[in-house]
Amino acid sequence: NAGVTQTPKFRILKIGQSMTLQCTQDMNHNYMYWYRQDPGMGLKLIYYSVGAGITDKGEVPNGYNVSRSTTEDFPLRLELAAPSQTSVYFCASRYRGFTDTQYFGPGTRLTVL
Amino acid sequence: AQTVTQSQPEMSVQEAETVTLSCTYDTSESDYYLFWYKQPPSRQMILVIRQEAYKQQNATENRFSVNFQKAAKSFSLKISDSQLGDAAMYFCAYRSERSGGSNYKLTFGKGTLLTVNP
Repeated sequence: NAGVTQTPKFRILKIGQSMTLQCTQDMNHNYMYWYRQDPGMGLKLIYYSVGAGITDKGEVPNGYNVSRSTTEDFPLRLELAAPSQTSVYFCASRYRGFTDTQYFGPGTRLTVL
Repeated sequence: AQTVTQSQPEMSVQEAETVTLSCTYDTSESDYYLFWYKQPPSRQMILVIRQEAYKQQNATENRFSVNFQKAAKSFSLKISDSQLGDAAMYFCAYRSERSGGSNYKLTFGKGTLLTVNP
């Protein structure tokens, strides 16, 4: 298994541009998550999904959108990028059941100038 | 809402020695999970160890062990026989046991940067 993969690894955006961060997992996990990590801080939840077609907001959803059309993919869309969205973005997944742990992707470093 | 506090922004240890990283948390729940994640320079988040709150026995994984004090809401990580590869940022994280996707989210502390000196 490749686990959780994210693309791209790095990206620089100009203010007002849009982009999609890709996340794919091959473990047949039900739950998927998007977190952001700001410098010197822990991760904060942006959006999550409990299965294909079902998504919901986390702690910091403003400026982002998600979709979950398949079990494997959970893309994160940034519309009208702002400097405040400069961060490292992590995708994570886990299987159904509260005893299972989350598995993280390698992260995407995004800079908005 | 739950909070996780790591009071040590940075720690250092000599190779082969033992180091303890501190974590405290605040919650009104009785059932939950606690985690330690390691984040090396590659930025990958790697699960180090997990503790279920209902278990009194402290979790261990090879050189890594925890001291879980439920009443004190404390969850420290002990790394024995430290190795150069242990150098990383370590995050303590909390997860509720209540059902639902958002309740399965992880609440993270700000992290402790561990340096291992040869």
